[in-house]
Amino acid sequence: DAGVIQSPRHEVTEMGQEVTLRCKPISGHDYLFWYRQTMMRGLELLIYFNNNVPIDDSGMPEDRFSAKMPNASFSTLKIQPSEPRDSAVYFCASSLGGGSGNTIYFGEGSWLTVV
Amino acid sequence: DQQVKQNSPSLSVQEGRISILNCDYTNSMFDYFLWYKKYPAEGPTFLISISSIKDKNEDGRFTVFLNKSAKHLSLHIVPSQPGDSAVYFCAASFGGGADGLTFGKGTHLIIQP
Repeated sequence: DAGVIQSPRHEVTEMGQEVTLRCKPISGHDYLFWYRQTMMRGLELLIYFNNNVPIDDSGMPEDRFSAKMPNASFSTLKIQPSEPRDSAVYFCASSLGGGSGNTIYFGEGSWLTVV
Repeated sequence: DQQVKQNSPSLSVQEGRISILNCDYTNSMFDYFLWYKKYPAEGPTFLISISSIKDKNEDGRFTVFLNKSAKHLSLHIVPSQPGDSAVYFCAASFGGGADGLTFGKGTHLIIQP
């Protein structure tokens, strides 16, 4: 079974450029999460969707960040304009159901470096 | 104001001995706790979990203990093996939802031969 698929795996971009990260959740999963990992803050939840609808985006750091989920099998996280402090690993994750007993499955992450 | 805290950034244990990873939380509303394991260049993978109605859950070499009064949980790995070397994240959720786990910063476990 295919897991959560993220692209690109690595991205190096210049400050001010637009960055788009992509995610394909596990088929049939109805929850999708975007997390960011940094040394300083660890793993932070940015936003999550349920049935393609954004439920909580309180973790999105600034208006420069936006996320969409146009259908059940695709989501994007966009940063425009990007800044060096956005350099981090961005993880997409999905789960079936929203109960506490439901495991969240992570993708391998997108390593973003903004220079 | 981290709600889930892992105060040890790293831990070194000899192969065959017990590894104990600790986690503290501040939000008494948390009702479900999980441990994730992460290898370099990979995403975190689920390891073991525990509901707040229990104080212990065991799965093979892995056991998680929960002390609600102290708002503390720990992960025991016995015996430790070289493949256990990884970063371990403690996570918590509440309200019956996987709606966004709150993670600690992780503990890097190093198993020495």
